[in-house]
Amino acid sequence: ETGVTQTPRHLVMGMTNKKSLKCEQHLGHNAMYWYKQSAKKPLELMFVYNFKEQTENNSVPSRFSPECPNSSHLFLHLHTLQPEDSALYLCASSQETSRQQFFGPGTRLTVL
Amino acid sequence: QQQVKQSPQSLIVQKGGISIINCAYENTAFDYFPWYQQFPGKGPALLIAIRPDVSEKKEGRFTISFNKSAKQFSLHIMDSQPGDSATYFCAASRQTGANNLFFGTGTRLTVIP
Repeated sequence: ETGVTQTPRHLVMGMTNKKSLKCEQHLGHNAMYWYKQSAKKPLELMFVYNFKEQTENNSVPSRFSPECPNSSHLFLHLHTLQPEDSALYLCASSQETSRQQFFGPGTRLTVL
Repeated sequence: QQQVKQSPQSLIVQKGGISIINCAYENTAFDYFPWYQQFPGKGPALLIAIRPDVSEKKEGRFTISFNKSAKQFSLHIMDSQPGDSATYFCAASRQTGANNLFFGTGTRLTVIP
C-alpha cells in the first residue's frame, strides 16, 4: 500500500444529500491534494493544502468544500451534487521537497 | 486547454513485445516529467520520472525518452508482460507551482499472453 488511505471506497448519494470523503496519510508528508478522475479525461487537480493551508483551488464549484485539520488528514465535504460529479475522487500527498505524489485508492462516487 | 497530450488512448501488445506511449507538451517551463501507472481499484503510482537535462532514463524494463526540442517524451516498456496491463499517465510540472501536476488522458495497456 502507498501509505494513503481513503474512506469510503464507494459512495452513492442523492443530489440533496450531504456526505464527506476522508483521506489520511501515514507518510509524514506536509502537502495533500484532492483530484477528480473521470473516464477519458486527465486527472483534474481540485485542491492543494500545504502545511494545512489551502494553496490551490482550481475553480472548483462551492458544492465541494475541503477541510484540512492537520497535515495527516484531509476531508472533502459534498452537498447538493450533480450527476456529472460522479467520478473517482483521489487523494494524494507529498513532501514539500519532492515532486512525487503518493495516491490513495480513491472513492468511487455516484450521484443519482 | 490540455497541457499534456497523450496517445494512444489504448494499446494492445503481445507478451514480450515493446509498448510505446507518447506525450507532448507546450509549456517550456515544465521541468519534471513523471509517468504514473494505475491498476484497477488502485490510485496512480509513480513509475519513473525524468528531468529535461537528460534525453533518456532507464529503470529495469521501463525507459523514458525525452526530446526537448520537440517537446515530446515517451514511455517504452520492453519485454511487456501481462502484469504490465494497466493504465499509464504521463504528467508534467514546473518549478513554480511545483505541486501542480498536469496529467495526460491516460493509455490503457493490455498485454496478451
